[in-house]
Amino acid sequence: SQQGEEDPQALSIQEGENATMNCSYKTSINNLQWYRQNSGRGLVHLILIRSNEREKHSGRLRVTLDTSKKSSSLLITASRAADTASYFCATDAYQGAQKLVFGQGTRLTINP
Amino acid sequence: GAVVSQHPSWVICKSGTSVKIECRSLDFQATTMFWYRQFPKQSLMLMATSNEGSKATYEQGVEKDKFLINHASLTLSTLTVTSAHPEDSSFYICSVPTGNRWTQYFGPGTRLLVL
Repeated sequence: SQQGEEDPQALSIQEGENATMNCSYKTSINNLQWYRQNSGRGLVHLILIRSNEREKHSGRLRVTLDTSKKSSSLLITASRAADTASYFCATDAYQGAQKLVFGQGTRLTINP
Repeated sequence: GAVVSQHPSWVICKSGTSVKIECRSLDFQATTMFWYRQFPKQSLMLMATSNEGSKATYEQGVEKDKFLINHASLTLSTLTVTSAHPEDSSFYICSVPTGNRWTQYFGPGTRLLVL
């Protein structure tokens, strides 16, 4: 079963604007990751945040994690048309294992 | 360059036939690989964990006799969809754990269409 819930399911913004996507999960985790998927392609790892971290940055990406609320957010600043993709959060719901459980994803469209 | 490859990238087959999908780890050896299925506009669902030298472990609800997994070597895992039906049409993606254990490299996926 899917652990993650993401919202919004779809987001359309203008190039240059910031995009924020949210993810909620249900069980305790060691870390939470965000992946990107271009249409009809495999996934690319973007960023990992550990359960003892609250915020992490990577280039134009900013991830926050609130373990008390079991939620995370991904912010993409100064969006570009090339950022158009689906974004998924993934958690290691199986303690000590390598398995990942993915959220439902947010389909992000950046309009030029 | 690509770390994980899949072959074929897409396949169309008739109902009742079997289809084999290959997943190769190009840069390093992998004792474990994962197989996911993704329906249109949906998330990835883990189907099974492929284990080199031993049987695959399947997630609840996934028929092991229908989705045969063989981890023949440290760089190759195959998924065979047996007696495929139209409802098996989906995007199948494999992944390989990275060295840090928590993240995964994903293959480009195989799109299966069963007529």
